[in-house]
Amino acid sequence: GEDVEQSLFLSVREGDSSVINCTYTDSSSTYLYWYKQEPGAGLQLLTYIFSNMDMKQDQRLTVLLNKKDKHLSLRIADTQTGDSAIYFCAESRDQTGANNLFFGTGTRLTVIP
Amino acid sequence: DAGITQSPRHKVTETGTPVTLRCHQTENHRYMYWYRQDPGHGLRLIHYSYGVKDTDKGEVSDGYSVSRSKTEDFLLTLESATSSQTSVYFCAISESGVITEAFFGQGTRLTVV
Repeated sequence: GEDVEQSLFLSVREGDSSVINCTYTDSSSTYLYWYKQEPGAGLQLLTYIFSNMDMKQDQRLTVLLNKKDKHLSLRIADTQTGDSAIYFCAESRDQTGANNLFFGTGTRLTVIP
Repeated sequence: DAGITQSPRHKVTETGTPVTLRCHQTENHRYMYWYRQDPGHGLRLIHYSYGVKDTDKGEVSDGYSVSRSKTEDFLLTLESATSSQTSVYFCAISESGVITEAFFGQGTRLTVV
């Protein structure tokens, strides 16, 4: 893996952009993922990026990958109160098994109305 | 949530007692996983199964055993619960093992006193 670091908390105002950061140590990580966990719910895969990509955009979500610095970020544009959740980054060497998936510590995003 | 049910959702037990958590799926998926989630650690894999009676250890398997006698059920047993096993336990399922196809259950909060 297997050291994947995130800051624990982030607060933003509704309508602002949120940027959640993640650093990882395994240079052989091939896929990097962002999951969202709402209160009382399981993890939901938001998006993922292959390591040969620098950026991936999906509606309000933008993933940036700096492979040289092993830094991954998730930007949420026009953050809404429904975006309040814990966000986990995760990495794997391949896609062939969730047993090869290593998670970060999670960032709790609080959106202030 | 993709036909995954974890039971119980909450449990308080005493140190030294055996505890079994159940993950039940209605998707007929081949792969099933047990993770634990602790503050500052993200999710860590305990055990996983790649078919009926086929299981393997994950990153934090000590103190846990699993069984899968039929496709739909994956049981996690703590033979003699300890306070260090207080955690939130998540089950996940995947049809082909591909990470992006994994779905997570809602979690079981276990407290060992």
